[in-house]
Amino acid sequence: GQNIDQPTEMTATEGAIVQINCTYQTSGFNGLFWYQQHAGEAPTFLSYNVLDGLEEKGRFSSFLSRSKGYSYLLLKELQMKDSASYLCVPKDSNYQLIWGAGTKLIIKP
Amino acid sequence: NAGVTQTPKFRVLKTGQSMTLLCAQDMNHEYMYWYRQDPGMGLRLIHYSVGEGTTAKGEVPDGYNVSRLKKQNFLLGLESAAPSQTSVYFCASSYSHAESGELFFGEGSRLTVL
Repeated sequence: GQNIDQPTEMTATEGAIVQINCTYQTSGFNGLFWYQQHAGEAPTFLSYNVLDGLEEKGRFSSFLSRSKGYSYLLLKELQMKDSASYLCVPKDSNYQLIWGAGTKLIIKP
Repeated sequence: NAGVTQTPKFRVLKTGQSMTLLCAQDMNHEYMYWYRQDPGMGLRLIHYSVGEGTTAKGEVPDGYNVSRLKKQNFLLGLESAAPSQTSVYFCASSYSHAESGELFFGEGSRLTVL
């Protein structure tokens, strides 16, 4: 079957750095998205990786290792508004997105 | 810039009633999707469309029907609502299925079936 493994919840301090890990198993692979979802709102796009390596976009970076079925999202200089759920979403060989429950990140002052 | 617009935002139905959720996008995207999200779970794909006049079943299509008569609109219908269909429904669109076609989401429609 296809599945995604992310921590259910993480806590970090404002101004710090946090890394959210994701391992996945899919039938084939055609890229991986990270989305942010604030409580009661729709998901919004953060990043996309299709090749191995690090993609940096401002305070957020995403890493992919296809051979290990592993990705992480790195958030720097955490702000209170970063409190949200972070969804690791791989795309399988049929280009279908595989959604898990994500990681709820709580930022404390 | 409207993006993806869903109507209605909230609705309460009685068991057995019918309703239609409307999704409209102004980005000229070919692909459109209807998802449902339940507490503590990931998004589940109900139906999707790869272009005007086409629809396809997703992961959880039972109890729902869809239509894509115009490229910019994707309608989700519940013919006979059941309490199990109480959920938050998200519509999304994307320009590409195969490339880095990020999904643009509507704000969501919160449906309660009593």
